[in-house]
Amino acid sequence: GAVVSQHPSRVICKSGTSVKIECRSLDFQATTMFWYRQFPKQSLMLMATSNEGSKATYEQGVEKDKFLINHASLTLSTLTVTSAHPEDSSFYICSASDGQNTEAFFGQGTRLTVV
Amino acid sequence: SQQGEEDPQALSIQEGENATMNCSYKTSINNLQWYRQNSGRGLVHLILIRSNEREKHSGRLRVTLDTSKKSSSLLITASRAADTASYFCATAQNQAGTALIFGKGTTLSVSS
Repeated sequence: GAVVSQHPSRVICKSGTSVKIECRSLDFQATTMFWYRQFPKQSLMLMATSNEGSKATYEQGVEKDKFLINHASLTLSTLTVTSAHPEDSSFYICSASDGQNTEAFFGQGTRLTVV
Repeated sequence: SQQGEEDPQALSIQEGENATMNCSYKTSINNLQWYRQNSGRGLVHLILIRSNEREKHSGRLRVTLDTSKKSSSLLITASRAADTASYFCATAQNQAGTALIFGKGTTLSVSS
């Protein structure tokens, strides 16, 4: 199957700083990428959908100014958590679609801890 | 938003036993997928069943789909300790290029 690489896998940052998470499709062109968040012992919640070259669509309750998503190329989407707070500590995971395959391809996830 | 419920929320069984997990969803779908997640790790895609399919097998996995009841089940036969993980169903409304909506998940513990 297709490979999606997410980096970093783990990050610890201080409260008030920003953190950037990258999601790359390694062997296909991802016309659409999705960002999910998972709190401990909970399920994955869709945060936003991004299409290459256009603004991301955010789910209700997700602050677009806090979670900046950029999908500047067909192989890279980034999620920047701005002014992070401890309550932003979570597992963030991306998935990518080439618009043709039914199966979604997920990155390995990023464990963010804000101290 | 989440599609619906999975039950049970937690399941503990002995090695060799079968494990059945159920998933219900709310909207019409194109396909339903099952994923496994080991603690603190990423997702592993297990199986995909399309809305026009009723049953699918893959190794020790058997998935059923009842679109009239908007429900699916995942059966793991002859479970092993290595099957211990959380299992999530996820639905897609379109064939490709749309987000998956995840259920709440079932935590499976298989003891040896």
